[in-house]
Amino acid sequence: KQEVTQIPAALSVPEGENLVLNCSFTDSAIYNLQWFRQDPGKGLTSLLLIQSSQREQTSGRLNASLDKSSGRSTLYIAASQPGDSATYLCAVITNAGKSTFGDGTTLTVKP
Amino acid sequence: NAGVMQNPRHLVRRRGQEARLRCSPMKGHSHVYWYRQLPEEGLKFMVYLQKENIIDESGMPKERFSAEFPKEGPSILRIQQVVRGDSAAYFCASSRQGTDTQYFGPGTRLTVL
Repeated sequence: KQEVTQIPAALSVPEGENLVLNCSFTDSAIYNLQWFRQDPGKGLTSLLLIQSSQREQTSGRLNASLDKSSGRSTLYIAASQPGDSATYLCAVITNAGKSTFGDGTTLTVKP
Repeated sequence: NAGVMQNPRHLVRRRGQEARLRCSPMKGHSHVYWYRQLPEEGLKFMVYLQKENIIDESGMPKERFSAEFPKEGPSILRIQQVVRGDSAAYFCASSRQGTDTQYFGPGTRLTVL
């Protein structure tokens, strides 16, 4: 059974810092991995999707990496801003289309 | 291109009543997923459907819960005889293919009194 763990559960940083969020998964037989953002009381917004054959994806100040063999992914956020405050979720998807989500990391960026 | 639509956004039911949650996927998407998020907990997979087919329902409680995605119309998640423990946010997502990026709706927040 696939298990996805995100560490830390919560993170507070001052504005402008670079930071890394971690995601680990137990079964490396994944098809892709997706990072999402969830604002309080809202739905999920897709940030980045990494295919299992890829090592990383970049979008603006975000960079996600994937090491499938070790079961790890990281989301790097450069020059953090208060507007980045949210819960960040990673999800691994099998080739059958089933998703398993981590419990998320709640990020607070202080002005 | 409208995003994933869910309605109602908020639903209040008394114990024992039925709850019907609707999800209209993005245009061109034939894959729909339902997730449940309990208060202060993570997102849990419930069911994965394609048009007229249930692909994976391994996350669905065995009793009282059912889902469908008919040839025409939205996907429906149905909860019969609701209990207080069913209170949660229910999210729907859709994708073009089963392994593509999933796009989420705003969720339906169910409160059982």
